[in-house]
Amino acid sequence: DTEVTQTPKHLVMGMTNKKSLKCEQHMGHRAMYWYKQKAKKPPELMFVYSYEKLSINESVPSRFSPECPNSSLLNLHLHALQPEDSALYLCASSQGAVNTEAFFGQGTRLTVV
Amino acid sequence: GEDVEQSLFLSVREGDSSVINCTYTDSSSTYLYWYKQEPGAGLQLLTYIFSNMDMKQDQRLTVLLNKKDKHLSLRIADTQTGDSAIYFCAETISGYALNFGKGTSLLVTP
Repeated sequence: DTEVTQTPKHLVMGMTNKKSLKCEQHMGHRAMYWYKQKAKKPPELMFVYSYEKLSINESVPSRFSPECPNSSLLNLHLHALQPEDSALYLCASSQGAVNTEAFFGQGTRLTVV
Repeated sequence: GEDVEQSLFLSVREGDSSVINCTYTDSSSTYLYWYKQEPGAGLQLLTYIFSNMDMKQDQRLTVLLNKKDKHLSLRIADTQTGDSAIYFCAETISGYALNFGKGTSLLVTP
């Protein structure tokens, strides 16, 4: 099983809403990532969790709050987002060692209205 | 971070070979990657190459690495219409996160 599963696939939310994106993998990977991808742009790193601890936060605004409840799950809590936050949010995982291949989920297409 | 450079567009005829080029920035990247993204989809890892290799072949895919020039290329032999997608090269940053190029849109025409 080399699958990273993200839910929901699509999400429309208002600027006052609170929502969460979910990501799950069962490959025993110990590093998990959130990337943001705007249209016609490459993915940009947001957060890295290694062994369930936040190891990289790429200066992401506090309206995005990551959480890693266990080694298989990664959440991204959203609150008071702006329309410019509309994007494809991609979750990825890798074995956790340095420089190993990352597997990506299909993403959540987020629209903020 | 610094930009990983790729040409933005490539158009080839079905059956021809495609070559997508990339110039990366971090000479300490142990692995370099090629990802494929179809419209509306996530990223699919196509192949990767270890930095002590010059070439890697995987079925229709050939990756060439020139470490001196920090140049990476992906050759797709016998390109098919299903190969039409955006191709991203990526280097590792901070040990294991990825820094992507801007992506090359490959269009395969019949």
